[in-house]
Amino acid sequence: ETGVTQTPRHLVMGMTNKKSLKCEQHLGHNAMYWYKQSAKKPLELMFVYNFKEQTENNSVPSRFSPECPNSSHLFLHLHTLQPEDSALYLCASSPTSGGVVANEQFFGPGTRLTVL
Amino acid sequence: SQELEQSPQSLIVQEGKNLTINCTSSKTLYGLYWYKQKYGEGLIFLMMLQKGGEEKSHEKITAKLDEKKQQSSLHITASQPSHAGIYLCGADIVGNNRKLIWGLGTSLAVNP
Repeated sequence: ETGVTQTPRHLVMGMTNKKSLKCEQHLGHNAMYWYKQSAKKPLELMFVYNFKEQTENNSVPSRFSPECPNSSHLFLHLHTLQPEDSALYLCASSPTSGGVVANEQFFGPGTRLTVL
Repeated sequence: SQELEQSPQSLIVQEGKNLTINCTSSKTLYGLYWYKQKYGEGLIFLMMLQKGGEEKSHEKITAKLDEKKQQSSLHITASQPSHAGIYLCGADIVGNNRKLIWGLGTSLAVNP
C-alpha cells in the first residue's frame, strides 16, 4: 500500500450508532489531519496531530472523537451523529505541521458518510 | 465573503481549448497550493507556489503566483477530458498558524 488510505470508503449510520473511520499513511509523515468536505462549503479542518499529539481542534463537536495511536494511523470515532454531519471526511498527512513553511498535504480518498 | 475566492465556479470547455482558473486571497500569502479532485475522491496535489512571480508547470498545467495581487492563476493548455475535475486552491496565510484555508473549488468539464 502506498500513500494515504482510508476505510471504509462509504458508511451509512443511524443517529444512535457508534462507528469509526480509519486512516493510514505510508509516507513516513509526522502530521495527520481530518477534514470535512460538504457541498458548497470550503474544506473544514477538524483536527491536526503532530508527532501523535493533537495540536488543533477546530471547535469540533464532541460527537467526533479523534485518536492517533502512532504517526501512521489516525481514527475518527463517531457517536450520536446528526444528519448534517453527512459529508465526505478526508484524511491527510504531511511531513510535519507548523514550522517555517506549511508542507503540502497528501490526501486519502475519503469516507463518504451518510447519517440517517 | 470567502477569505479565498476562486473563479470561475464552474467551467465547460471544448477539448483542445486553453483555460485559466484564478484564486485570490484577502490576506497576505505565505504560500499557495493547487489540488485536483475527482468527484467524491481525495485531493491530488498539483503544485505549491511560495514566491512572488513564481511559476511552475506540471505536464500541461501551469500555475503562477502574483504576490502583489495575492492571487494565483492556474492555466491549462490544450485541455483534455482527463483534465476534468474540481480544482481547489489552498492558502497558507499570515496569522493562521500554518493552517491552510481553502477555496470552494472550480468544477471543470472538458467536452470531447
